[in-house]
Amino acid sequence: EAGVTQSPTHLIKTRGQQATLRCSPISGHTSVYWYQQALGLGLQFLLWYDEGEERNRGNFPPRFSGRQFPNYSSELNVNALELEDSALYLCASSRVGKSYEQYFGPGTRLTVT
Amino acid sequence: DQQVKQNSPSLSVQEGRISILNCDYTNSMFDYFLWYKKYPAEGPTFLISISSIKDKNEDGRFTVFLNKSAKHLSLHIVPSQPGDSAVYFCAAETNQAGTALIFGKGTTLSVSS
Repeated sequence: EAGVTQSPTHLIKTRGQQATLRCSPISGHTSVYWYQQALGLGLQFLLWYDEGEERNRGNFPPRFSGRQFPNYSSELNVNALELEDSALYLCASSRVGKSYEQYFGPGTRLTVT
Repeated sequence: DQQVKQNSPSLSVQEGRISILNCDYTNSMFDYFLWYKKYPAEGPTFLISISSIKDKNEDGRFTVFLNKSAKHLSLHIVPSQPGDSAVYFCAAETNQAGTALIFGKGTTLSVSS
C-alpha cells in the first residue's frame, strides 16, 4: 500500500509570492490534514478536509487556504508569503471517522527568502 | 495556550536502558492520546495510542501509561535501542466532531550504544 505522498519535496519562494503544496492520501483515506512544523514549535494544525469540504482550520491567517479534490488529493496554498512561513509542511490522511489514526507524508520544506 | 505539553526538549539514554518520555495536557475533553516518532527528513509515524478509558497500553518494547487525574501520560521504551533515536511527539484528540490532533512540541531522544 502506497503511503501519503507530497510534492514538491523542497520549495523556495520569495516574500510576497504564492506557494502551492500538494498531497495525495493513502488509498481509501478520505480525510486530509495539513500541519506546519516551524522551528521549535512542533506540529501546528492548519487545515482538515474530508469528502471535499473543509472541516476545521487552525489558528492561521486566511492567506493559508486549500482544497480537496474529488480523488481526495489536496492542495495547500499560501498567499503573500512571509519569512516566518518558512517551515516543513506535513500532510496526513486518515479513514473517515478515524482522525486519531493519521498517517503522515514526508513533508514539503518551504523556504521563503 | 498549549494544550499538550512536552516539557523536556531532549532525553539521552544508554542502549538497553529504559527511556521515559513525558507529556502533560490541560484539556479534560481529550479522549484519545497518541505517540508519534519522527526521523529527520521524514514525516511522523504512528507509534502507539491509548484511549482515555484505559490506563496502560503495551506494544512490544513500547508502553504508554495514562494518569487522567494528573492529566499526564508517558511513553516507556524498554530496552532502548540506537534506532529509537528520533523526535517523539505526544498528540491528543477530543471526541468532538471537527477537531484534529493537538501535538506537543516533541522530545528528541538520543540512545547511545
